[in-house]
Amino acid sequence: GAGVSQSPSNKVTEKGKDVELRCDPISGHTALYWYRQSLGQGLEFLIYFQGNSAPDKSGLPSDRFSAERTGGSVSTLTIQRTQQEDSAVYLCASSLLAGGATQYFGPGTRLLVL
Amino acid sequence: KQEVTQIPAALSVPEGENLVLNCSFTDSAIYNLQWFRQDPGKGLTSLLLIQSSQREQTSGRLNASLDKSSGRSTLYIAASQPGDSATYLCAVPSGSARQLTFGSGTQLTVLP
Repeated sequence: GAGVSQSPSNKVTEKGKDVELRCDPISGHTALYWYRQSLGQGLEFLIYFQGNSAPDKSGLPSDRFSAERTGGSVSTLTIQRTQQEDSAVYLCASSLLAGGATQYFGPGTRLLVL
Repeated sequence: KQEVTQIPAALSVPEGENLVLNCSFTDSAIYNLQWFRQDPGKGLTSLLLIQSSQREQTSGRLNASLDKSSGRSTLYIAASQPGDSATYLCAVPSGSARQLTFGSGTQLTVLP
């Protein structure tokens, strides 16, 4: 079956612009995670969705970051007023269940803020 | 707060060698531990997941061990091949969301 897909694969934007990153999880997976991978910081958790529960936003670095998950499937991560330090690879992962089940990752979106 | 460390940061070996990658974690109360592979410019591929009740997990030439009490895991790669060249990451779920806390990875190069 299809894995986790993300779009766009690459995004170049100017400082101050808003960007939207999309994630399509594996069908039937109830849990969805966003992570960020940047040089010098490694992989960092951003936000978590589980079914219809309120998302866990504890990893979001600032209020410029937000995410939603529509219909328990597709998720969009939005970064407003982008800054150069937002440049990173944004990875999405899904798992069949919550509670530490295997997470399957998408290919990521490479964001460059000029 | 859970912290995950991987050593070495980089490793270069000739083809055919057996090798061991190390991962340590500070909080031994883990649910499981997952090993991933990341190729340049790509996402993460799950290799093995060891449950907290398990000591070992095997997949082909890969064998992962887990010692919860000492806070350590190893990934053993037998008969390495150039195609094994990648960055290997270990991760444990932690926090309210069971989000993964990752090590910084070991960059492996297998020379033909």
